[in-house]
Amino acid sequence: EVQLVESGGVVVQPGGSLRLSCAASGFTFDDYTMHWVRQAPGKGLEWVSLISWDGGSTYYADSVKGRFTISRDNSKNSLYLQMNSLRTEDTALYYCAKDIGLGAAFDYWGQGTLVTVSS
Amino acid sequence: QSALTQPASVSGSPGQSITISCTGTSSDVGGYNYVSWYQQHPGKAPKLMIYDVSNRPSGVSNRFSGSKSGNTASLTISGLQAEDEADYYCSSYTSSSTPPEVVFGGGTKLTVL
Repeated sequence: EVQLVESGGVVVQPGGSLRLSCAASGFTFDDYTMHWVRQAPGKGLEWVSLISWDGGSTYYADSVKGRFTISRDNSKNSLYLQMNSLRTEDTALYYCAKDIGLGAAFDYWGQGTLVTVSS
Repeated sequence: QSALTQPASVSGSPGQSITISCTGTSSDVGGYNYVSWYQQHPGKAPKLMIYDVSNRPSGVSNRFSGSKSGNTASLTISGLQAEDEADYYCSSYTSSSTPPEVVFGGGTKLTVL
């Protein structure tokens, strides 16, 4: 059974930093591109970032480019999101999602970890 | 403002069929067969219902179908059931930015009357 378990979400002040983690199991982690997708309270989904199977390619939404860094450790079946210079508009539930492998679709999602940016 | 445009809400009675549209541009929906649809119940993570315009993942009911014409993709749910009441989001690969990325629609709330 595929499982994605996010952690690391907390309340942080504007300008602060945070690292989210996602522990993956139930599939061959290093075969797949992985993504972070976020959802602000009461709002829709927003794609944040992706990383290729080997970490060689990383892409970011314009809203987080230069502030967030995605990475992975295939030896630990883990995905990460380093978040710097946080803004109030970064407040959201952050989901880790597995790419289906055939295109930009997400076939498995975690339950999310809540990041609140507030003073 | 979302990159893909969806109606804010749709409704239907049990047993009926409904269609949710997702309108983009030639840089996303119209340019690639990488349109996906997600169902999200309150307090739950999204669930993939359709990928690559019209493919259903294993385990998804065949009451759900997807199609595309030009820059508009559509999700059709036939034989509406109470458990279909949820928010639905479309997404697409897009080359409108460099490097390319993924964009979502704003979401559609489906109410089963």
